Amino acid sequence: QLQLQESGPGLVKPSETLSLTCTVSGGSISSSSYYWGWIRQPPGKGLEWIGSIYYSGSTYYNPSLKSRVTISVDTSKNQFSLKLSSVTAADTAVYYCARDGSGSIIWDVWGKGTTVTVSS
Amino acid sequence: QSALTQPASVSGSPGQSITISCTGTSSDVGGYNYVSWYQQHPGKAPKLMIYDVSKRPSGVSNRFSGSKSGNTASLTISGLQAEDEADYYCCSYAGSSTLGGVFGTGTKVTVL
Repeated sequence: QLQLQESGPGLVKPSETLSLTCTVSGGSISSSSYYWGWIRQPPGKGLEWIGSIYYSGSTYYNPSLKSRVTISVDTSKNQFSLKLSSVTAADTAVYYCARDGSGSIIWDVWGKGTTVTVSS
Repeated sequence: QSALTQPASVSGSPGQSITISCTGTSSDVGGYNYVSWYQQHPGKAPKLMIYDVSKRPSGVSNRFSGSKSGNTASLTISGLQAEDEADYYCCSYAGSSTLGGVFGTGTKVTVL
């Protein structure tokens, strides 16, 4: 059974870079047809797609965050990662990693989520 | 790309049917048959309930159904049960620049 697990610091200072890793277990991140992505949810608010990556390394970012986001993949470790630079309090959220089947927004497997707070 | 519009809340009594709407534009909901719906209980990760407008993943109850007309997609829950009380989000493909989709504003479903 495929499982995803987010990891990374729960507290980041304003203007610094948020870094999270998603570890995939029970399956290979190199499986064709799947995209791997990050989605976040500010406290009490809705979901927002941050970006996605294919195992080959092709990346796709939310235009509103594109200038600050980098997503990378490490197939040897079966992991993919998120970096969000120049964070502010508005970036405080629960960050989820998830699998998108076929790139047609079928987010069918999710991690449990990790809370990241931006504060000095 | 703006969030898709959903009613803030919908309620119903056990056994009843309710419908949640998700309104977008011809650039997202109306332009593609790639609408998915997610159920989220408090403190939990979202769960895929419907994809490709009306398809149900294995394991999802057939009480959940999806449809689309023009720029509005809908999720219907029939035979409402207490366990259906949760937040529901729609998500639509909106072109290659937003590969991961645009989410709706979310709807809180309350079982009376």
